[in-house]
Amino acid sequence: GQQVMQIPQYQHVQEGEDFTTYCNSSTTLSNIQWYKQRPGGHPVFLIQLVKSGEVKKQKRLTFQFGEAKKNSSLHITATQTTDVGTYFCAHDETTDSWGKLQFGAGTQVVVTP
Amino acid sequence: DTGVSQDPRHKITKRGQNVTFRCDPISEHNRLYWYRQTLGQGPEFLTYFQNEAQLEKSRLLSDRFSAERPKGSFSTLEIQRTEQGDSAMYLCASSLAVGWGQGVPYEQYFGPGTRLTVT
Repeated sequence: GQQVMQIPQYQHVQEGEDFTTYCNSSTTLSNIQWYKQRPGGHPVFLIQLVKSGEVKKQKRLTFQFGEAKKNSSLHITATQTTDVGTYFCAHDETTDSWGKLQFGAGTQVVVTP
Repeated sequence: DTGVSQDPRHKITKRGQNVTFRCDPISEHNRLYWYRQTLGQGPEFLTYFQNEAQLEKSRLLSDRFSAERPKGSFSTLEIQRTEQGDSAMYLCASSLAVGWGQGVPYEQYFGPGTRLTVT
Protein backbone atom coordinates (compact mmCIF):
# COMPACT_ATOMS: atom_id res chain seq x y z
CA GLY A 1 0.00 0.00 0.00
CA GLN A 2 0.97 3.64 -0.25
CA GLN A 3 3.34 4.85 2.38
CA VAL A 4 2.60 8.06 4.26
CA MET A 5 5.45 10.09 5.67
CA GLN A 6 4.94 12.12 8.80
CA ILE A 7 7.09 15.11 9.59
CA PRO A 8 8.53 16.01 11.91
CA GLN A 9 9.26 12.78 13.76
CA TYR A 10 9.65 14.71 17.02
CA GLN A 11 8.23 18.06 18.03
CA HIS A 12 9.25 19.91 21.18
CA VAL A 13 6.84 22.71 21.93
CA GLN A 14 6.72 25.36 24.63
CA GLU A 15 3.36 25.47 26.36
CA GLY A 16 1.20 28.11 24.71
CA GLU A 17 2.92 27.93 21.32
CA ASP A 18 1.41 26.68 18.09
CA PHE A 19 2.76 23.87 15.91
CA THR A 20 1.89 21.91 12.80
CA THR A 21 2.57 18.31 11.87
CA TYR A 22 2.34 16.99 8.35
CA CYS A 23 1.37 13.76 6.63
CA ASN A 24 2.54 13.36 3.04
CA SER A 25 2.00 10.79 0.33
CA SER A 26 3.38 10.43 -3.20
CA THR A 27 0.03 9.09 -4.39
CA THR A 28 -3.57 10.20 -4.05
CA LEU A 29 -5.22 9.06 -0.85
CA SER A 30 -8.84 8.00 -0.48
CA ASN A 31 -9.09 9.46 3.00
CA ILE A 32 -7.07 10.46 6.04
CA GLN A 33 -7.72 9.65 9.65
CA TRP A 34 -5.81 11.13 12.58
CA TYR A 35 -5.24 9.32 15.86
CA LYS A 36 -3.56 10.37 19.10
CA GLN A 37 -1.69 7.96 21.34
CA ARG A 38 -0.71 9.11 24.81
CA PRO A 39 2.45 7.64 26.36
CA GLY A 40 1.62 4.09 27.47
CA GLY A 41 -1.83 4.31 25.90
CA HIS A 42 -3.58 3.17 22.77
CA PRO A 43 -4.51 5.11 19.63
CA VAL A 44 -7.62 7.24 19.96
CA PHE A 45 -9.49 8.45 16.91
CA LEU A 46 -9.50 12.23 16.41
CA ILE A 47 -10.93 12.97 12.96
CA GLN A 48 -11.37 11.71 9.43
CA LEU A 49 -11.10 13.72 6.21
CA VAL A 50 -12.50 12.48 2.92
CA LYS A 51 -12.99 15.44 0.58
CA SER A 52 -10.35 17.36 -1.33
CA GLY A 53 -9.46 20.58 0.50
CA GLU A 54 -11.49 19.62 3.55
CA VAL A 55 -10.85 21.52 6.77
CA LYS A 56 -12.18 20.44 10.15
CA LYS A 57 -11.70 22.02 13.55
CA GLN A 58 -11.88 20.56 17.02
CA LYS A 59 -11.34 23.30 19.59
CA ARG A 60 -7.60 24.08 19.31
CA LEU A 61 -6.96 21.44 16.61
CA THR A 62 -7.34 22.19 12.89
CA PHE A 63 -7.11 19.38 10.36
CA GLN A 64 -6.68 19.87 6.63
CA PHE A 65 -6.74 17.55 3.63
CA GLY A 66 -4.86 18.85 0.62
CA GLU A 67 -6.52 19.79 -2.64
CA ALA A 68 -4.73 16.96 -4.42
CA LYS A 69 -5.51 14.55 -1.55
CA LYS A 70 -1.80 13.76 -1.19
CA ASN A 71 -1.16 15.46 2.10
CA SER A 72 -2.77 16.42 5.35
CA SER A 73 -1.85 18.58 8.29
CA LEU A 74 -2.74 18.93 11.95
CA HIS A 75 -2.29 22.36 13.50
CA ILE A 76 -2.54 22.84 17.25
CA THR A 77 -2.82 26.32 18.71
CA ALA A 78 -1.91 27.34 22.26
CA THR A 79 -0.38 23.96 23.07
CA GLN A 80 -1.18 22.51 26.49
CA THR A 81 0.49 19.74 28.47
CA THR A 82 -2.52 17.57 27.68
CA ASP A 83 -1.46 17.61 24.02
CA VAL A 84 1.53 15.38 24.83
CA GLY A 85 1.53 12.17 22.82
CA THR A 86 2.15 10.75 19.38
CA TYR A 87 -0.10 11.84 16.54
CA PHE A 88 -0.59 9.35 13.73
CA CYS A 89 -2.17 9.82 10.35
CA ALA A 90 -3.63 6.78 8.65
CA HIS A 91 -5.37 6.05 5.38
CA ASP A 92 -7.36 3.23 3.84
CA GLU A 93 -5.24 1.16 1.49
CA THR A 94 -8.17 0.23 -0.72
CA THR A 95 -11.56 1.68 -1.48
CA ASP A 96 -13.35 -1.62 -2.00
CA SER A 97 -13.58 -2.38 1.69
CA TRP A 98 -12.77 0.30 4.20
CA GLY A 99 -10.76 -0.53 7.26
CA LYS A 100 -7.35 -1.65 6.06
CA LEU A 101 -5.58 1.31 7.57
CA GLN A 102 -1.96 2.08 6.90
CA PHE A 103 -0.44 4.28 9.59
CA GLY A 104 2.43 6.68 9.38
CA ALA A 105 5.25 6.49 11.92
CA GLY A 106 3.78 9.37 13.90
CA THR A 107 4.92 12.70 15.28
CA GLN A 108 5.89 12.51 18.94
CA VAL A 109 4.98 15.73 20.71
CA VAL A 110 6.65 16.84 23.93
CA VAL A 111 5.34 19.95 25.67
CA THR A 112 7.54 22.00 27.96
CA PRO A 113 5.67 23.94 30.67
CA ASP B 1 -16.87 0.28 30.50
CA THR B 2 -18.20 -0.65 27.05
CA GLY B 3 -14.95 -0.08 25.15
CA VAL B 4 -12.72 -2.64 23.45
CA SER B 5 -11.05 -4.98 25.91
CA GLN B 6 -8.04 -7.21 25.46
CA ASP B 7 -6.70 -10.04 27.55
CA PRO B 8 -4.06 -10.50 28.79
CA ARG B 9 -2.54 -7.04 29.00
CA HIS B 10 0.94 -8.46 29.29
CA LYS B 11 2.40 -11.79 28.27
CA ILE B 12 5.92 -13.03 28.79
CA THR B 13 6.73 -16.28 27.08
CA LYS B 14 9.74 -18.32 26.12
CA ARG B 15 10.80 -18.71 22.55
CA GLY B 16 9.04 -21.61 20.89
CA GLN B 17 5.89 -21.45 23.00
CA ASN B 18 2.42 -20.75 21.61
CA VAL B 19 0.42 -17.76 22.81
CA THR B 20 -3.18 -16.73 22.34
CA PHE B 21 -4.65 -13.28 22.84
CA ARG B 22 -8.30 -12.38 23.16
CA CYS B 23 -10.16 -9.28 22.03
CA ASP B 24 -13.71 -8.30 22.96
CA PRO B 25 -14.96 -5.51 20.68
CA ILE B 26 -17.64 -2.93 21.37
CA SER B 27 -20.79 -5.03 21.37
CA GLU B 28 -22.60 -3.45 18.41
CA HIS B 29 -19.50 -3.33 16.19
CA ASN B 30 -19.35 -5.80 13.32
CA ARG B 31 -15.78 -5.09 12.24
CA LEU B 32 -12.78 -6.25 14.23
CA TYR B 33 -9.12 -5.53 13.40
CA TRP B 34 -5.77 -6.77 14.63
CA TYR B 35 -2.61 -4.64 14.49
CA ARG B 36 0.94 -4.98 15.70
CA GLN B 37 2.86 -2.00 17.01
CA THR B 38 6.57 -1.88 17.69
CA LEU B 39 8.42 0.90 19.48
CA GLY B 40 8.50 4.15 17.57
CA GLN B 41 6.21 2.94 14.82
CA GLY B 42 2.55 3.25 13.97
CA PRO B 43 0.21 0.26 14.17
CA GLU B 44 0.76 -2.29 11.41
CA PHE B 45 -2.39 -3.90 9.99
CA LEU B 46 -2.52 -7.69 10.34
CA THR B 47 -6.05 -8.89 9.64
CA TYR B 48 -9.70 -7.98 9.97
CA PHE B 49 -13.15 -9.51 10.23
CA GLN B 50 -16.65 -8.49 9.34
CA ASN B 51 -18.84 -10.51 11.67
CA GLU B 52 -17.27 -13.98 11.55
CA ALA B 53 -15.81 -13.62 8.05
CA GLN B 54 -12.07 -12.95 7.83
CA LEU B 55 -11.73 -10.42 5.02
CA GLU B 56 -7.96 -10.28 4.80
CA LYS B 57 -5.29 -12.55 6.17
CA SER B 58 -2.44 -12.09 3.73
CA ARG B 59 -0.91 -9.50 6.06
CA LEU B 60 -0.50 -11.91 8.91
CA LEU B 61 3.24 -11.90 9.42
CA SER B 62 3.82 -15.58 8.82
CA ASP B 63 1.97 -18.89 8.86
CA ARG B 64 2.66 -19.00 12.59
CA PHE B 65 0.00 -16.30 13.02
CA SER B 66 -3.70 -17.06 12.87
CA ALA B 67 -6.86 -15.30 13.96
CA GLU B 68 -10.44 -16.37 14.51
CA ARG B 69 -13.76 -14.78 15.27
CA PRO B 70 -15.99 -17.84 15.45
CA LYS B 71 -19.29 -16.30 16.48
CA GLY B 72 -18.76 -12.81 15.19
CA SER B 73 -18.19 -11.41 18.66
CA PHE B 74 -14.82 -11.86 20.40
CA SER B 75 -11.69 -12.74 18.47
CA THR B 76 -8.46 -14.57 19.23
CA LEU B 77 -5.00 -14.08 17.75
CA GLU B 78 -2.65 -17.03 18.08
CA ILE B 79 1.08 -17.07 17.52
CA GLN B 80 2.68 -20.48 17.33
CA ARG B 81 6.33 -21.20 18.00
CA THR B 82 7.03 -17.65 19.13
CA GLU B 83 10.27 -15.94 18.18
CA GLN B 84 12.01 -12.99 19.81
CA GLY B 85 11.04 -10.86 16.82
CA ASP B 86 7.38 -11.34 17.74
CA SER B 87 7.86 -9.14 20.80
CA ALA B 88 5.54 -6.18 20.28
CA MET B 89 2.24 -4.64 21.31
CA TYR B 90 -0.72 -6.38 19.70
CA LEU B 91 -3.68 -4.06 19.32
CA CYS B 92 -7.27 -4.89 18.56
CA ALA B 93 -9.77 -2.37 17.23
CA SER B 94 -13.43 -2.46 16.26
CA SER B 95 -15.78 -0.38 14.16
CA LEU B 96 -19.31 -0.37 12.83
CA ALA B 97 -19.53 -0.82 9.06
CA VAL B 98 -22.78 -0.67 7.11
CA GLY B 99 -23.15 -3.44 4.54
CA TRP B 100 -19.68 -4.51 3.49
CA GLY B 101 -18.22 -1.21 4.55
CA GLN B 102 -18.23 0.58 1.23
CA GLY B 103 -18.96 4.24 0.91
CA VAL B 104 -17.56 5.98 3.96
CA PRO B 105 -14.61 5.02 6.13
CA TYR B 106 -15.35 4.34 9.77
CA GLU B 107 -13.38 5.35 12.83
CA GLN B 108 -11.75 2.53 14.68
CA TYR B 109 -11.84 2.14 18.45
CA PHE B 110 -8.70 0.57 19.84
CA GLY B 111 -8.30 -1.61 22.89
CA PRO B 112 -5.47 -1.21 25.41
CA GLY B 113 -3.36 -3.86 23.69
CA THR B 114 -1.47 -6.98 24.77
CA ARG B 115 2.25 -6.47 25.23
CA LEU B 116 4.11 -9.63 24.26
CA THR B 117 7.67 -10.26 25.37
CA VAL B 118 9.41 -13.33 24.01
CA THR B 119 12.52 -14.32 25.95
